[in-house]
Amino acid sequence: AQKITQTQPGMFVQEKEAVTLDCTYDTSDPSYGLFWYKQPSSGEMIFLIYQGSYDQQNATEGRYSLNFQKARKSANLVISASQLGDSAMYFCAMREENYGGATNKLIFGTGTLLAVQP
Amino acid sequence: ETGVTQSPTHLIKTRGQQVTLRCSSQSGHNTVSWYQQALGQGPQFIFQYYREEENGRGNFPPRFSGLQFPNYSSELNVNALELDDSALYLCASSIVLAGQETQYFGPGTRLLVL
Repeated sequence: AQKITQTQPGMFVQEKEAVTLDCTYDTSDPSYGLFWYKQPSSGEMIFLIYQGSYDQQNATEGRYSLNFQKARKSANLVISASQLGDSAMYFCAMREENYGGATNKLIFGTGTLLAVQP
Repeated sequence: ETGVTQSPTHLIKTRGQQVTLRCSSQSGHNTVSWYQQALGQGPQFIFQYYREEENGRGNFPPRFSGLQFPNYSSELNVNALELDDSALYLCASSIVLAGQETQYFGPGTRLLVL
C-alpha cells in the first residue's frame, strides 16, 4: 500500500538557521512524484517543491531543496535560512503516476509543525 | 495566489443535513480534486473530476458526490451529514508547468457538523 510517513510531529528552529523535515514513503510503483506543501494556520495548502522518481538531481526552489534518496525511499525537505514566516505545518505527499485514471491523487503524510524562533 | 477560490469559508450544519461546497479555478484547469482534512491529519483524497466526469475516487461513501461545470467551477455535495464529516475541505486544480502537473489548492471550507 502507498504510504507517506512523517515522524516529526513538531520541530523548532532558530531564525536564519537551516532545518530538515523528514519524509519516507512506500510504493511499489516505479513512477511517482513527491511533493511538499506548506499549510499556514489559514488552511491553504501552498505548493513548495516537486521531485520526480526518475529525476537525477535533487529539486531546488529558492530556499527549499529536496534531499531525495531513492534507495532509502526518503524525500526530506531542507529549508535554508529560516524566516519567521516559515512557521507552519508542512506536508509531504506522493502521487503515483499510474494510478488508474486519477493520476492526480495525492497521498499525504500527517505533517510536521515547524516553529521558527527569533 | 493560486487562482483557486472556495466558498463558503466556514459553515455550520447539523447532523442529517445536506451541504454543498463550491470551488472555482482558472481557465484551462481541466482537473479538479477534492480532499477532506480532519483536525490534526493530512488531507484525504475524496474524488477527482476531469472534463466534467468523475475519474477517480477515494475511500468515501456515495453520500459524497460532486459535479464539475464547463466554466471550471465544481461542487462537493455531502448528504446525511455525520459528526465525523467535520473537517477542512480542500479543492485543488491541476495545471502543467514545465512538463510537470501540479495541484494548486484553494483556501478550503471549514465545515462543522453539530
